Amino acid sequence: GAGVSQSPSNKVTEKGKDVELRCDPISGHTALYWYRQSLGQGLEFLIYFQGNSAPDKSGLPSDRFSAERTGGSVSTLTIQRTQQEDSAVYLCASSGLAGVSYNEQFFGPGTRLTVL
Amino acid sequence: DAKTTQPTSMDCAEGRAANLPCNHSTISGNEYVYWYRQIHSQGPQYIIHGLKNNETNEMASLIITEDRKSSTLILPHATLRDTAVYYCIVRIPTTSGTYKYIFGTGTRLKVLA
Repeated sequence: GAGVSQSPSNKVTEKGKDVELRCDPISGHTALYWYRQSLGQGLEFLIYFQGNSAPDKSGLPSDRFSAERTGGSVSTLTIQRTQQEDSAVYLCASSGLAGVSYNEQFFGPGTRLTVL
Repeated sequence: DAKTTQPTSMDCAEGRAANLPCNHSTISGNEYVYWYRQIHSQGPQYIIHGLKNNETNEMASLIITEDRKSSTLILPHATLRDTAVYYCIVRIPTTSGTYKYIFGTGTRLKVLA
């Protein structure tokens, strides 16, 4: 596609339920990042994937959070047993390897998660 | 991890230059400085990056001090559309050969008519 896409754009869930957030990176981009942005705050790094390397999970806030990237393309961020403090906008970004795009992350529009 | 410090907010008159400072006093020699901006309800957008030389592109200029402990993003002729949160970021290389981007809390720039 033309850019990074994320779905759903908005998700409202009840405390204790599991949610899955999806990210479709730009075709051919090998690096994929997940960030969390709470209301009025900066971006908090969660996890990133680079090619076939083991993902860097150092930013995941708890073991309720996990992410997968299938076939080196689409990624899913899963939050189990959601809590109200998980409410935030979850942003996905991808970056490529060729030319000037190598250094630039392209961000999706985000998924706004609200846990009631 | 290297971290950045930015003023919380700034105002700038339309048509004037906007100078946004950033401190990154713990930056290491191989860590790049990046700037992104985020317009309300959108994902962040890349502006510019640099290592130690000053950089300029169609959007902005980046001035990095000789000791690399601080930098300034310059928007030469600010417009109302430049109202956004501006993030100064350090890109950290990892042992696996990839990169980690450490975002700060950003500067909320308001361009005034």
